[in-house]
Amino acid sequence: KQEVTQIPAALSVPEGENLVLNCSFTDSAIYNLQWFRQDPGKGLTSLLLIQSSQREQTSGRLNASLDKSSGRSTLYIAASQPGDSATYLCAVPTQTGANNLFFGTGTRLTVIP
Amino acid sequence: EAQVTQNPRYLITVTGKKLTVTCSQNMNHEYMSWYRQDPGLGLRQIYYSMNVEVTDKGDVPEGYKVSRKEKRNFPLILESPSPNQTSLYFCASSPRTGLSNQPQHFGDGTRLSIL
Repeated sequence: KQEVTQIPAALSVPEGENLVLNCSFTDSAIYNLQWFRQDPGKGLTSLLLIQSSQREQTSGRLNASLDKSSGRSTLYIAASQPGDSATYLCAVPTQTGANNLFFGTGTRLTVIP
Repeated sequence: EAQVTQNPRYLITVTGKKLTVTCSQNMNHEYMSWYRQDPGLGLRQIYYSMNVEVTDKGDVPEGYKVSRKEKRNFPLILESPSPNQTSLYFCASSPRTGLSNQPQHFGDGTRLSIL
């Protein structure tokens, strides 16, 4: 069964720093990998989706990479801002269908002004 | 505005009293799903639906029921709630199944407390 791990569980950085969040998965036969953001009291917002044929995706200050062979993905956040403070989750589809997702437990990011 | 709407957002109730959490999406998505989120365990899938009248169990279906009579609605039913179902629940939807490049849309969550 797929397992998704995110380390660290929590991270605090001063404003302006670049940072990397890590996600690892045990079964490399994935269709895609998604990174989500979760704000307190809110649902999940999809940030980036990397298809299995891609190695990275970029959106603004965010860059996500995917290395299927090693079972790893990273989310790079450039020039962090206090508004980036949230929990970041990665998720991969199960083998039963591309829509069903296995989630990591997330990394809680705090950007200190 | 494209959205997934869950109701209620918060509910405190007692063991054994049947409850329903509604979920509605306005994006004409075929796929809908329910997850629960617990500290240290992350999000786990309860049930999902590939289309109208098609539902299937996720990883933690015990104690829950769902129905999909209309495309836009996917209610989660707890026939006899128990304290171990105290959790934060999320509904999600996405376009046609089988496509690997469609992100999922999530509701804002429903926090259930079963006393």
